[in-house]
Amino acid sequence: DAGVIQSPRHEVTEMGQEVTLRCKPISGHDYLFWYRQTMMRGLELLIYFNNNVPIDDSGMPEDRFSAKMPNASFSTLKIQPSEPRDSAVYFCASTSGEENYEQYFGPGTRLTVT
Amino acid sequence: AQKITQTQPGMFVQEKEAVTLDCTYDTSDQSYGLFWYKQPSSGEMIFLIYQGSYDEQNATEGRYSLNFQKARKSANLVISASQLGDSAMYFCAMRSNNAGNMLTFGGGTRLMVKP
Repeated sequence: DAGVIQSPRHEVTEMGQEVTLRCKPISGHDYLFWYRQTMMRGLELLIYFNNNVPIDDSGMPEDRFSAKMPNASFSTLKIQPSEPRDSAVYFCASTSGEENYEQYFGPGTRLTVT
Repeated sequence: AQKITQTQPGMFVQEKEAVTLDCTYDTSDQSYGLFWYKQPSSGEMIFLIYQGSYDEQNATEGRYSLNFQKARKSANLVISASQLGDSAMYFCAMRSNNAGNMLTFGGGTRLMVKP
């Protein structure tokens, strides 16, 4: 398996622009997670899905952030409009529902908003 | 709510020596899992080891072992025979089995292995 795939790997955009981050989970995994990593706040869970349904979005910072999972093999995280404080590394991770299964992380998308 | 605390922001260890990275957690749940991840400078998150709250034996994976003390709510990572490639950030994380499969992460410990 190719592992969790994220695109793009790097994104530089100007404040006010829309940004879309993409994730393809490992085939057969029914949980998908979006995390954000910054120096100040560490690793934070933004939202997670189970069987394509959003379960907990309490970590989404504000209405500028939205996430979708239209099918089992694809998810997006959108920021509109983007702000400099959104600059971070965004990780997507997936896992099965088994108790001792680790979350497999994608390589991350480094977002820079200028 | 779950909370993970890693009190060592940075540590040095001499190559070939063992090192312990501390992790304490706070939860009211009876069923949970504890994980350690490694993040090298390249940025990817690499799973190292898992311990379930009902596991009686401490988990081991090669040079990694988890010193699980349930009453103290600690889950320290022990790396034996440190190698230069072990230099990285290390994150402790907890999953509550009553809260889906979401992970709560600690702030991390930066380990630097000296030759």
